[in-house]
Amino acid sequence: DVKVTQSSRYLVKRTGEKVFLECVQDMDHENMFWYRQDPGLGLRLIYFSYDVKMKEKGDIPEGYSVSREKKERFSLILESASTNQTSMYLCASSLADRVSYEQYFGPGTRLTVT
Amino acid sequence: AQTVTQSQPEMSVQEAETVTLSCTYDTSESNYYLFWYKQPPSRQMILVIRQEAYKQQNATENRFSVNFQKAAKSFSLKISDSQLGDTAMYFCAFGSGTYKYIFGTGTRLKVLA
Repeated sequence: DVKVTQSSRYLVKRTGEKVFLECVQDMDHENMFWYRQDPGLGLRLIYFSYDVKMKEKGDIPEGYSVSREKKERFSLILESASTNQTSMYLCASSLADRVSYEQYFGPGTRLTVT
Repeated sequence: AQTVTQSQPEMSVQEAETVTLSCTYDTSESNYYLFWYKQPPSRQMILVIRQEAYKQQNATENRFSVNFQKAAKSFSLKISDSQLGDTAMYFCAFGSGTYKYIFGTGTRLKVLA
């Protein structure tokens, strides 16, 4: 079974803190994604990576950065957390090159910024 | 730009009954894929069913089937013989190009005993 794991299920941080969310997949997938899920807005793509050290901005990259130093690991960084970044964050991975390929999701991290 | 619209924020269905979730999309692409994903409460999102736009035949997966109307840009999900385990948030998604999905806002389905 494909496994996508995220470092935390729940996280509480203070405004201004630097926050790291980590995602690991064990299926040698080329593509990895970070989404933000908010009620009434669905899933919105923050960043994705199609290879080690490669990344592209999604629809809502402002306030976020990413790092992919190894194929299996994709990190989302909030440089200075703000209350409007309180949300559920989902990581996903898929095989390369084909949007037809299924995306496999992690369990999500519910981040609260106070 | 592509858009995906799910107009039913919440639905409920009695166990063993049939329910249909609606999804419409807008695109100028000719080749694309459509998906339904299921997110059970506190569990990971999983793929339910996938449809390739160039295929006329509607996809089916056990109790799940789609009604794909390409001209109308409609992609509804039918769940037959609903089970309590079908209670979840369902997302319609559109994919084209090499990687990018566009997700709808979701429909929360509750199956009632």
